[in-house]
Amino acid sequence: DSGVTQTPKHLITATGQRVTLRCSPRSGDLSVYWYQQSLDQGLQFLIHYYNGEERAKGNILERFSAQQFPDLHSELNLSSLELGDSALYFCASEKQGRSGANVLTFGAGSRLTVL
Amino acid sequence: AQSVAQPEDQVNVAEGNPLTVKCTYSVSGNPYLFWYVQYPNRGLQFLLKYITGDNLVKGSYGFEAEFNKSQTSFHLKKPSALVSDSALYFCAVRDPAQTGANNLFFGTGTRLTVIP
Repeated sequence: DSGVTQTPKHLITATGQRVTLRCSPRSGDLSVYWYQQSLDQGLQFLIHYYNGEERAKGNILERFSAQQFPDLHSELNLSSLELGDSALYFCASEKQGRSGANVLTFGAGSRLTVL
Repeated sequence: AQSVAQPEDQVNVAEGNPLTVKCTYSVSGNPYLFWYVQYPNRGLQFLLKYITGDNLVKGSYGFEAEFNKSQTSFHLKKPSALVSDSALYFCAVRDPAQTGANNLFFGTGTRLTVIP
């Protein structure tokens, strides 16, 4: 157990639907990152939050949004789902922001299947 | 622009032989370099990192990596491969001097298969 909790582990839904993925960072970590991994491919950076504020945005579609709450957990909302959104979505946390040499701790991921 | 490259999608090695997984990077300043490993249906796990100091970094599970500034490389190595080392390996680079945008970049991953 890495200390980063992601729910749900698996999710199957239909095109056009909306889902919410949840991430609880490791205790004491202020930063949360979201990544998308499709079919054993590399990691696509989506978005980074630090202590409730958005810090950086990557290749995140307009249909996707995220937020980090005061208790530091984060949610990634995916709407108007398409077949191509099927992927593993990872959350990772770290203690500080981007300037440190800290290691990211990854959750086990949420596997989304869009039918 | 900051980037990291893993030139090999797939590396096959016989059990007991040494293994190398290659990584090259491009940053404007002094990089922080990381290796992560991903086992099937799992999240990425940290293996080792280079921040400063000794160019040879030792990490988990007997892995090590050598920082080569002139060649801008950070290759992952292990003297004797195990079947259990079979996994997807990611190199990552961070430029701590870069602000205002994402400054942590992952390579595309290299699948290591250790053949019994």
